Amino acid sequence: EAGVVQSPRYKIIEKKQPVAFWCNPISGHNTLYWYRQNLGQGPELLIRYENEEAVDDSQLPKDRFSAERLKGVDSTLKIQPAELGDSAVYLCASSEPPSIRDTQYFGPGTRLTVL
Amino acid sequence: AQKITQTQPGMFVQEKEAVTLDCTYDTSDQSYGLFWYKQPSSGEMIFLIYQGSYDEQNATEGRYSLNFQKARKSANLVISASQLGDSAMYFCAMRRSGTYKYIFGTGTRLKVLA
Repeated sequence: EAGVVQSPRYKIIEKKQPVAFWCNPISGHNTLYWYRQNLGQGPELLIRYENEEAVDDSQLPKDRFSAERLKGVDSTLKIQPAELGDSAVYLCASSEPPSIRDTQYFGPGTRLTVL
Repeated sequence: AQKITQTQPGMFVQEKEAVTLDCTYDTSDQSYGLFWYKQPSSGEMIFLIYQGSYDEQNATEGRYSLNFQKARKSANLVISASQLGDSAMYFCAMRRSGTYKYIFGTGTRLKVLA
């Protein structure tokens, strides 16, 4: 079974430029998450989707970040315009319909460097 | 507020030996889950093991076991017979039952020596 796929793996941009990350979750996983992981820290949740609906975006900086999950499968996370402090690894994860265990499965991440 | 503490920024272990990675947590909830993830240099977070707060037995998954001491609020990961491929960052995480939000610790970087 294929895991969570993310692209690109690496992205270098100058500040004020836009950038987009793509995620394809594990087949059958209704729940999709975007996390940001700063250097030396654990991941922090940005947004969670249940199918097409963003059910928790309280941590998403909405002035510059946006996300979408059309058709409830693939998802795109966008930053416009990027700032130096956005340099981080952006991780996508997915999980099956709710369960007590609710293990999240992560993709390899996109490492963003803003110059 | 929920919090995960991993006090070991880095650890070394000799190949084939066992190693314990520490994790303590703080929560006022009665029902919660504890997770360990491995993050190799490739960046992917790999799920290792889960322990529910009401589970009476410590969780085990192959060479991984979780030493769960509820009264002390600790959930240490034990890796037996370390392998070179175990070299990675290890994150402890907690999730309140009924919610989706993970709280992660800052991680422990493990280096297995040949």
